[in-house]
Amino acid sequence: QKEVEQDPGPLSVPEGAIVSLNCTYSNSAFQYFMWYRQYSRKGPELLMYTYSSGNKEDGRFTAQVDKSSKYISLFIRDSQPSDSATYLCAMCRSEKLVFGKGTKLTVNP
Amino acid sequence: DTGVSQDPRHKITKRGQNVTFRCDPISEHNRLYWYRQTLGQGPEFLTYFQNEAQLEKSRLLSDRFSAERPKGSFSTLEIQRTEQGDSAMYLCASSFGRERVTYEQYFGPGTRLTVT
Repeated sequence: QKEVEQDPGPLSVPEGAIVSLNCTYSNSAFQYFMWYRQYSRKGPELLMYTYSSGNKEDGRFTAQVDKSSKYISLFIRDSQPSDSATYLCAMCRSEKLVFGKGTKLTVNP
Repeated sequence: DTGVSQDPRHKITKRGQNVTFRCDPISEHNRLYWYRQTLGQGPEFLTYFQNEAQLEKSRLLSDRFSAERPKGSFSTLEIQRTEQGDSAMYLCASSFGRERVTYEQYFGPGTRLTVT
């Protein structure tokens, strides 16, 4: 079993939809949880960073962490075509990040 | 621009040649990380530095790979005798960290290596 599992999609939604992206993990040693957005052939861009269970909101993005279930989510409200990208979850253990495979999202105008 | 920068952005080399990549972190960051990303996968950790000290290396980092961070500023990643399996995006990230506390890692644009 991989440490971090993420459905690679692809996921296609109409503009304005609410998008839900999820990851599960197996290692309870993970303490910090991040979501990155990566456009094609670019480096990952940090979207959200959390270190505790609960919700964190930033504009149209909400990150949710449930440590008891080892489950994290990213919600995107009012999705835009510019949100079309690959979304990577990442978890920090001993200073290094362990990433999911990424979910490829397309938002159709 | 005060973000992480990497050079070159693209490198095409023939099998058996040596290549070197450079990363300049965000100036106030004391930690620097190297990751490798292949198509359809998330980035995988290779190694990291705190200031000039290399603190951890992944098993992915074979003897042909070496990384340095002289003076705790920029870093170089060298691959000797490149193989086709080395073709990937090499990503550099930096962060500010204190003992037992890790903060956000910010990535550069990456160096895309193609070994022919």
